[in-house]
Amino acid sequence: AQSVTQLGSHVSVSEGALVLLRCNYSSSVPPYLFWYVQYPNQGLQLLLKYTTGATLVKGINGFEAEFKKSETSFHLTKPSAHMSDAAEYFCAVKAQGGSEKLVFGKGTKLTVNP
Amino acid sequence: DGGITQSPKYLFRKEGQNVTLSCEQNLNHDAMYWYRQDPGQGLRLIYYSQIVNDFQKGDIAEGYSVSREKKESFPLTVTSAQKNPTAFYLCASSMPGQGLHEQYFGPGTRLTVT
Repeated sequence: AQSVTQLGSHVSVSEGALVLLRCNYSSSVPPYLFWYVQYPNQGLQLLLKYTTGATLVKGINGFEAEFKKSETSFHLTKPSAHMSDAAEYFCAVKAQGGSEKLVFGKGTKLTVNP
Repeated sequence: DGGITQSPKYLFRKEGQNVTLSCEQNLNHDAMYWYRQDPGQGLRLIYYSQIVNDFQKGDIAEGYSVSREKKESFPLTVTSAQKNPTAFYLCASSMPGQGLHEQYFGPGTRLTVT
């Protein structure tokens, strides 16, 4: 079975500062990993995904994430926060070759201060 | 424009009434999913369907029912047996047969039952 832990339900940064949102996963088989963003009262939008190959994955809006198998982590980063990055972020895992069910973390709400 | 449509955006019902939430996609995706989102709990899978005329229970299926008579449509009925139906409901779809395991989400329906 898969599971996801997002450390920190709320993260606050200043505009222009580094954004780091943490995600650790548990999976008995190689995983596919995803980060999604959700703005208030909207659906989820895919930011980036890791399937196979390069472990550093670049996504939309300047975000990137690195798959570290030894640490079972997939942390999301952005070098310089913008006010428009304020949203809730969800990490999700799926087992390779398994069912299509995604398992989501509980989310991290990012606040960007001017 | 391809995408997922959920209607209505807001829905109000009295206790004891069944209510059906609509989900339509024109992405030609084979798989469709229903999630429930409550504050601080992330997304929880209610039902999913990988092909027409077939669907499986997710983690919290009790009090819900679905049908998948057409590829484009996956309506969710919240029955009076659901103890706490007030929540934000999200529909998603994916195309795993083409190696695309990420899910694409609709805008959501916020259901309030009083």
